[in-house]
Amino acid sequence: DGGITQSPKYLFRKEGQNVTLSCEQNLNHDAMYWYRQDPGQGLRLIYYSQIVNDFQKGDIAEGYSVSREKKESFPLTVTSAQKNPTAFYLCASSTDHNTQYFGPGTRLTVL
Amino acid sequence: GENVEQHPSTLSVQEGDSAVIKCTYSDSASNYFPWYKQELGKRPQLIIDIRSNVGEKKDQRIAVTLNKTAKHFSLHITETQPEDSAVYFCAASIGGYSTLTFGKGTMLLVSP
Repeated sequence: DGGITQSPKYLFRKEGQNVTLSCEQNLNHDAMYWYRQDPGQGLRLIYYSQIVNDFQKGDIAEGYSVSREKKESFPLTVTSAQKNPTAFYLCASSTDHNTQYFGPGTRLTVL
Repeated sequence: GENVEQHPSTLSVQEGDSAVIKCTYSDSASNYFPWYKQELGKRPQLIIDIRSNVGEKKDQRIAVTLNKTAKHFSLHITETQPEDSAVYFCAASIGGYSTLTFGKGTMLLVSP
C-alpha cells in the first residue's frame, strides 16, 4: 500500500473547470486502475491500464480522461463534462496475479 | 459482464460474536475473490483472498469459503473486536490483469 501515492488529498473544483488527480506507484506494477466511490455505491471502475500507452474505459468513463505515458504514473482528469464529480477517487495497481493495492484516495468536491 | 451481490448491507454484532458476510457472483469464469476492509476515510485494504482451486482459506480470526457450484463466497470473522468495525467489500475477477467487480459493501459495527 505504501508504494502508491495520490495527490492532492482534498480538491475543490468550480463549475466548468477541469481538474487532474495524480496517482504514482513504485511497486513496478504493470496495471493501474481508477475507481470512484460514492456512499452506498461501492467502488465503480472509471478507467484502467494494463500497459504503458494503453488504457480502456471502465463502467463509468464518461466525463473522465486518463493517460499512461509512464509505468509509474496514471493521472485522471475530471472534465467539465462530468456533471456530478463530487466523490472519493481511488487509484489502484496490480500485477498479473490480480491482487489490487489502493492509494490513499482524493476527495473531490464541486463548489 | 460480472455482477456481484453482497449481503447484508449493514451488520451489528456484540464483541466476541462471529460475523458472516455473503457474496454471490454471476460469471462462472471468475476465479479470484478478494475481500477488502475500509475504515472511514481510508483506503480499502486487502484482508484475505481466495482462488477457485481451493474451497476455504483461513488467516487467524478471518476465513473465506467459496462454493463455485453455487457461485457464492463468504467472509467469516470470529471473536469480533471493536477494531473490526469498518466497511467490507467483496470482489470477483477472472484473473490475470482483468478488472475486479466489487460488491456494494457491508458496514460492520462491533459493539463493546
